[in-house]
Amino acid sequence: KNEVEQSPQNLTAQEGEFITINCSYSVGISALHWLQQHPGGGIVSLFMLSSGKKKHGRLIATINIQEKHSSLHITASHPRDSAVYICAAYFSGGSNYKLTFGKGTLLTVNP
Amino acid sequence: NAGVMQNPRHLVRRRGQEARLRCSPMKGHSHVYWYRQLPEEGLKFMVYLQKENIIDESGMPKERFSAEFPKEGPSILRIQQVVRGDSAAYFCASSPPAGTRDTPNEQFFGPGTRLTVL
Repeated sequence: KNEVEQSPQNLTAQEGEFITINCSYSVGISALHWLQQHPGGGIVSLFMLSSGKKKHGRLIATINIQEKHSSLHITASHPRDSAVYICAAYFSGGSNYKLTFGKGTLLTVNP
Repeated sequence: NAGVMQNPRHLVRRRGQEARLRCSPMKGHSHVYWYRQLPEEGLKFMVYLQKENIIDESGMPKERFSAEFPKEGPSILRIQQVVRGDSAAYFCASSPPAGTRDTPNEQFFGPGTRLTVL
Protein backbone atom coordinates (compact mmCIF):
# COMPACT_ATOMS: atom_id res chain seq x y z
CA LYS A 1 0.00 0.00 0.00
CA ASN A 2 1.31 3.46 -0.90
CA GLU A 3 1.70 5.47 2.28
CA VAL A 4 3.47 8.64 3.35
CA GLU A 5 4.23 9.23 7.02
CA GLN A 6 5.43 12.47 8.54
CA SER A 7 6.93 13.25 11.91
CA PRO A 8 6.48 15.03 14.12
CA GLN A 9 2.80 15.94 13.78
CA ASN A 10 3.35 19.13 15.75
CA LEU A 11 6.55 21.07 16.35
CA THR A 12 7.12 24.19 18.42
CA ALA A 13 10.40 26.05 18.22
CA GLN A 14 11.97 29.31 19.32
CA GLU A 15 13.00 31.84 16.73
CA GLY A 16 16.47 31.06 15.41
CA GLU A 17 16.33 27.32 16.02
CA PHE A 18 17.20 24.73 13.40
CA ILE A 19 14.12 22.73 12.38
CA THR A 20 13.89 19.24 10.89
CA ILE A 21 10.72 17.63 9.60
CA ASN A 22 10.81 14.02 8.48
CA CYS A 23 8.95 12.08 5.80
CA SER A 24 9.07 8.35 5.16
CA TYR A 25 7.27 6.35 2.51
CA SER A 26 6.35 2.75 2.10
CA VAL A 27 7.60 1.77 -1.37
CA GLY A 28 9.68 3.21 -4.19
CA ILE A 29 8.91 6.67 -5.50
CA SER A 30 9.84 8.61 -8.60
CA ALA A 31 9.75 12.04 -6.94
CA LEU A 32 8.62 13.85 -3.81
CA HIS A 33 7.18 17.31 -3.12
CA TRP A 34 7.57 19.41 0.01
CA LEU A 35 4.64 21.82 0.32
CA GLN A 36 3.83 24.68 2.68
CA GLN A 37 0.34 25.68 3.77
CA HIS A 38 -0.42 28.64 6.03
CA PRO A 39 -3.59 28.35 8.14
CA GLY A 40 -6.56 29.03 5.91
CA GLY A 41 -4.18 29.65 3.06
CA GLY A 42 -3.15 28.17 -0.22
CA ILE A 43 -0.48 25.59 -0.90
CA VAL A 44 2.99 26.54 -2.07
CA SER A 45 5.38 24.02 -3.55
CA LEU A 46 8.74 24.43 -1.84
CA PHE A 47 10.67 21.65 -3.54
CA MET A 48 10.27 18.71 -5.84
CA LEU A 49 13.15 16.26 -5.71
CA SER A 50 13.98 12.73 -6.72
CA SER A 51 17.54 12.43 -5.39
CA GLY A 52 20.14 14.22 -3.34
CA LYS A 53 19.57 17.65 -1.90
CA LYS A 54 18.05 21.00 -2.85
CA LYS A 55 18.45 24.36 -1.14
CA HIS A 56 16.44 27.55 -1.40
CA GLY A 57 17.26 30.34 1.02
CA ARG A 58 16.93 28.98 4.55
CA LEU A 59 15.21 25.80 3.39
CA ILE A 60 17.00 22.56 2.58
CA ALA A 61 15.39 19.32 1.40
CA THR A 62 17.17 15.99 1.25
CA ILE A 63 16.10 12.58 0.09
CA ASN A 64 17.58 9.11 0.60
CA ILE A 65 16.03 6.79 -1.94
CA GLN A 66 17.46 3.60 -0.42
CA GLU A 67 16.12 4.41 3.03
CA LYS A 68 12.81 5.74 1.66
CA HIS A 69 13.19 8.91 3.67
CA SER A 70 13.22 12.65 3.10
CA SER A 71 13.85 15.58 5.42
CA LEU A 72 13.02 19.27 5.28
CA HIS A 73 15.32 21.54 7.25
CA ILE A 74 14.79 25.19 8.13
CA THR A 75 17.81 27.12 9.34
CA ALA A 76 17.48 30.22 11.54
CA SER A 77 13.73 29.72 11.89
CA HIS A 78 11.44 32.75 12.02
CA PRO A 79 7.83 33.20 13.18
CA ARG A 80 6.78 33.67 9.54
CA ASP A 81 7.87 30.05 8.95
CA SER A 82 4.90 28.96 11.09
CA ALA A 83 2.76 26.83 8.80
CA VAL A 84 1.83 23.25 7.96
CA TYR A 85 4.50 21.43 5.98
CA ILE A 86 3.30 18.58 3.81
CA CYS A 87 5.26 15.82 2.12
CA ALA A 88 3.73 14.27 -1.02
CA ALA A 89 5.05 11.45 -3.20
CA TYR A 90 4.68 10.07 -6.70
CA PHE A 91 4.88 6.30 -6.21
CA SER A 92 6.91 4.45 -8.86
CA GLY A 93 4.43 1.65 -9.34
CA GLY A 94 1.62 4.05 -10.05
CA SER A 95 1.04 7.02 -12.28
CA ASN A 96 3.43 9.89 -12.86
CA TYR A 97 0.85 12.42 -11.75
CA LYS A 98 -1.07 11.09 -8.74
CA LEU A 99 0.30 12.50 -5.49
CA THR A 100 -0.10 10.72 -2.16
CA PHE A 101 0.10 13.15 0.75
CA GLY A 102 1.28 12.91 4.34
CA LYS A 103 -0.93 14.40 7.02
CA GLY A 104 1.34 17.36 7.53
CA THR A 105 3.50 18.79 10.30
CA LEU A 106 2.24 21.90 12.08
CA LEU A 107 5.22 24.12 12.84
CA THR A 108 4.93 27.02 15.27
CA VAL A 109 7.91 29.31 15.67
CA ASN A 110 7.70 31.61 18.68
CA PRO A 111 9.49 34.97 18.79
CA ASN B 1 3.08 35.28 -15.09
CA ALA B 2 0.04 34.61 -12.94
CA GLY B 3 -0.06 31.44 -10.93
CA VAL B 4 -2.93 29.01 -10.68
CA MET B 5 -6.13 30.89 -10.00
CA GLN B 6 -9.20 29.57 -8.26
CA ASN B 7 -12.53 31.19 -7.63
CA PRO B 8 -14.40 31.74 -5.57
CA ARG B 9 -12.04 31.62 -2.60
CA HIS B 10 -14.94 31.00 -0.25
CA LEU B 11 -18.30 29.53 -1.13
CA VAL B 12 -21.28 28.98 1.13
CA ARG B 13 -24.11 26.74 0.02
CA ARG B 14 -27.19 25.29 1.68
CA ARG B 15 -27.82 21.57 1.59
CA GLY B 16 -29.22 20.52 -1.77
CA GLN B 17 -27.76 23.42 -3.76
CA GLU B 18 -25.08 23.13 -6.42
CA ALA B 19 -21.48 24.26 -6.02
CA ARG B 20 -19.28 25.23 -8.96
CA LEU B 21 -15.58 25.69 -8.36
CA ARG B 22 -13.34 27.17 -11.04
CA CYS B 23 -9.65 26.72 -11.73
CA SER B 24 -7.53 28.55 -14.28
CA PRO B 25 -4.17 26.85 -14.74
CA MET B 26 -0.87 28.63 -15.09
CA LYS B 27 -0.08 29.96 -18.55
CA GLY B 28 1.29 27.18 -20.70
CA HIS B 29 -0.10 24.40 -18.50
CA SER B 30 -2.56 22.03 -20.10
CA HIS B 31 -3.01 19.58 -17.22
CA VAL B 32 -5.20 20.16 -14.19
CA TYR B 33 -5.60 18.18 -10.98
CA TRP B 34 -8.23 18.59 -8.26
CA TYR B 35 -7.62 17.68 -4.62
CA ARG B 36 -9.86 17.77 -1.57
CA GLN B 37 -8.80 18.53 1.99
CA LEU B 38 -11.40 17.53 4.53
CA PRO B 39 -11.22 19.09 8.02
CA GLU B 40 -8.48 17.45 10.08
CA GLU B 41 -7.50 15.20 7.16
CA GLY B 42 -4.78 15.20 4.55
CA LEU B 43 -5.14 16.12 0.91
CA LYS B 44 -6.65 13.48 -1.38
CA PHE B 45 -6.47 13.21 -5.15
CA MET B 46 -9.82 13.56 -6.90
CA VAL B 47 -9.37 13.89 -10.66
CA TYR B 48 -6.82 14.59 -13.39
CA LEU B 49 -7.86 16.34 -16.59
CA GLN B 50 -6.32 17.50 -19.80
CA LYS B 51 -8.09 19.82 -22.20
CA GLU B 52 -11.44 18.20 -23.09
CA ASN B 53 -10.42 14.88 -21.51
CA ILE B 54 -10.77 13.25 -18.12
CA ILE B 55 -7.65 11.14 -17.67
CA ASP B 56 -8.22 9.73 -14.18
CA GLU B 57 -11.24 10.27 -11.96
CA SER B 58 -10.53 7.44 -9.56
CA GLY B 59 -10.64 9.77 -6.54
CA MET B 60 -14.02 11.30 -7.30
CA PRO B 61 -17.07 10.25 -5.31
CA LYS B 62 -19.30 8.17 -7.56
CA GLU B 63 -22.31 10.43 -7.28
CA ARG B 64 -22.96 14.17 -7.39
CA PHE B 65 -19.37 15.14 -8.36
CA SER B 66 -18.20 15.91 -11.88
CA ALA B 67 -15.29 17.77 -13.46
CA GLU B 68 -14.54 19.22 -16.84
CA PHE B 69 -11.76 21.14 -18.56
CA PRO B 70 -13.17 22.58 -21.77
CA LYS B 71 -11.16 23.70 -24.76
CA GLU B 72 -11.77 27.32 -23.75
CA GLY B 73 -12.11 28.58 -20.20
CA PRO B 74 -11.30 27.27 -16.76
CA SER B 75 -11.64 23.79 -15.35
CA ILE B 76 -14.85 23.35 -13.35
CA LEU B 77 -15.47 21.04 -10.40
CA ARG B 78 -19.21 20.69 -9.94
CA ILE B 79 -20.91 19.29 -6.87
CA GLN B 80 -24.65 18.73 -7.15
CA GLN B 81 -27.02 18.55 -4.19
CA VAL B 82 -24.34 19.37 -1.68
CA VAL B 83 -24.37 17.81 1.78
CA ARG B 84 -22.60 18.91 4.96
CA GLY B 85 -19.90 16.28 4.41
CA ASP B 86 -18.82 18.11 1.26
CA SER B 87 -17.54 21.02 3.39
CA ALA B 88 -13.82 21.10 2.69
CA ALA B 89 -11.05 22.99 0.97
CA TYR B 90 -10.75 22.13 -2.72
CA PHE B 91 -7.40 22.73 -4.34
CA CYS B 92 -6.53 22.77 -7.97
CA ALA B 93 -3.01 22.24 -9.35
CA SER B 94 -1.64 22.49 -12.85
CA SER B 95 1.42 21.26 -14.69
CA PRO B 96 2.87 21.19 -18.14
CA PRO B 97 2.25 17.93 -20.01
CA ALA B 98 3.18 15.10 -17.66
CA GLY B 99 6.71 13.82 -17.87
CA THR B 100 7.75 10.22 -18.08
CA ARG B 101 6.89 7.66 -15.44
CA ASP B 102 10.27 8.24 -13.85
CA THR B 103 10.26 12.03 -14.04
CA PRO B 104 6.87 13.52 -13.28
CA ASN B 105 6.35 17.22 -13.89
CA GLU B 106 6.05 19.53 -10.91
CA GLN B 107 2.52 20.53 -9.97
CA PHE B 108 1.74 24.11 -8.96
CA PHE B 109 -1.15 24.69 -6.59
CA GLY B 110 -3.84 27.33 -6.45
CA PRO B 111 -5.09 29.15 -3.33
CA GLY B 112 -8.04 26.79 -2.90
CA THR B 113 -11.79 27.22 -2.57
CA ARG B 114 -13.22 26.73 0.88
CA LEU B 115 -16.70 25.29 0.61
CA THR B 116 -19.04 25.49 3.58
CA VAL B 117 -22.37 23.68 3.42
CA LEU B 118 -24.96 24.93 5.88
